[in-house]
Amino acid sequence: GQNIDQPTEMTATEGAIVQINCTYQTSGFNGLFWYQQHAGEAPTFLSYNVLDGLEEKGRFSSFLSRSKGYSYLLLKELQMKDSASYLCAVNPGGSYIPTFGRGTSLIVHP
Amino acid sequence: GAGVSQSPSNKVTEKGKDVELRCDPISGHTALYWYRQSLGQGLEFLIYFQGNSAPDKSGLPSDRFSAERTGGSVSTLTIQRTQQEDSAVYLCASSLGPSIMNTEAFFGQGTRLTVV
Repeated sequence: GQNIDQPTEMTATEGAIVQINCTYQTSGFNGLFWYQQHAGEAPTFLSYNVLDGLEEKGRFSSFLSRSKGYSYLLLKELQMKDSASYLCAVNPGGSYIPTFGRGTSLIVHP
Repeated sequence: GAGVSQSPSNKVTEKGKDVELRCDPISGHTALYWYRQSLGQGLEFLIYFQGNSAPDKSGLPSDRFSAERTGGSVSTLTIQRTQQEDSAVYLCASSLGPSIMNTEAFFGQGTRLTVV
C-alpha cells in the first residue's frame, strides 16, 4: 500500500518562515505534488517535484529527496492568507493517480 | 468553462435515497478523478477516468457507488441507498492527461453531501 505522512497541524508567526515535511513510502515514484486548500475551497496546485533538489517559486519552495522518501514545502515571509491546509500527494510507480496525505493545517498568527 | 465545475454544491438527502453528483471538467482534459474528503481527513481516491473508460475503480468503497463519463467530458458519480457514513465532500479533478511530468490536477469546489 501507499503511505504518506505529514504533521497534522503547525502554527507560525506572520513574517516568519515555516517548513512542512512530508514522508512517503510508495511502490515506486512518479512525482510529488503540493497543494494548498483554504477552508471550504478546492485544493490548488503549488508545486511539483520529480527530481531531487529544490524548486523555488516566489515565497514558496519545495524540496525532494527520493532516496529518503522525503519532501518539504518551505513558506517564507508568511502572510495571514497563508493559513490553510497543505496537502502532499505522490504518484506511485506505474500509476498516475495522486495519493494524498491527510494534509497539514497551518495557522499563521500576528 | 474556465475551471472544473461541480453540482450541486450542497446536497442533503435522507438515508436510503440515491444521489447523483455531477462534474464538468476543463475542456480538453482527458483525465478525470473523483475523491472524497471527510472532515479532518485527507483526500480519499474513488475512481479515475481516462477518456470515457475507468481503468481504476479500486477506490470505490462499495457496490453502492458507481460513476460514468460520457463524451470524454461530463462525469456523474452515483451513490445508491445512501448511508450516513457517505457524508463527505466529493471532489472532482481533471488534468490534461495522466499525471505525468508536472501535469497537475485542477479541482472543482466539491459537493458537500449530508445524509440524514
